[in-house]
Amino acid sequence: SYVLTQPPSVSVAPGKTARITCGGNSIEDKIVSWYQQRPGQAPVLVVYAGSDRPSGIPERFSGSSSGNTATLTISRVDAGDEAAYYCQVWESSSDQVVFGGGTKLTVL
Amino acid sequence: QITLKESGPTVVKPTQPLTLTCTFSGFSLNTRGVGVGWIRQPPGKALEWLALIDWNDDERYTLSLKSRLTITKDTSKNQVVLTMTNMAPVDTATYYCAYALTRYVYGDAFEIWGQGTMVTVSS
Repeated sequence: SYVLTQPPSVSVAPGKTARITCGGNSIEDKIVSWYQQRPGQAPVLVVYAGSDRPSGIPERFSGSSSGNTATLTISRVDAGDEAAYYCQVWESSSDQVVFGGGTKLTVL
Repeated sequence: QITLKESGPTVVKPTQPLTLTCTFSGFSLNTRGVGVGWIRQPPGKALEWLALIDWNDDERYTLSLKSRLTITKDTSKNQVVLTMTNMAPVDTATYYCAYALTRYVYGDAFEIWGQGTMVTVSS
């Protein structure tokens, strides 16, 4: 089965750029989505189709993929960005939806 | 405006089945390219996709739980129902339903989520 690997935690200072990675075999060939989940809340889609943002999501959130790694980049991080972030793909060969294990972003 | 809301029991006894209903508004499940999925999250753990049904009546299930899951839709009521049999304590989780964009273009991106419903499996 297809596996998505995320680091358990990432820390960043306010105003800096956070990069959260998602590793998967040839993930650059897949359609990647990213979700933000604040404590006690439902997940929110922040990036879809690899690099598109839903309406209402700030331009500070961007997505990219290369080789076996997809990356969610959050620029000018503030305290409100502190949350868990999950990557997700559709694995076409097995027709399965797969989530990564999640990354806890801490704003120092 | 698209909204979804989950409903169902908060406590289920071991071995009993769980039936959850997702009632939605703001879209039709007859519209090409849309679907509704179920995702769960055990306390303190990661998201886990369970099932998805789309406008074309295509049903998909996570392979690890496929034998226990059934997803159905009632387009006249704007509802999607998930049934999971033989519940166990490890199935204790918050269960979410979500509006999904077609996998072929958007990779099953879950654009809008319900608030979730916590289900505890305990005798």
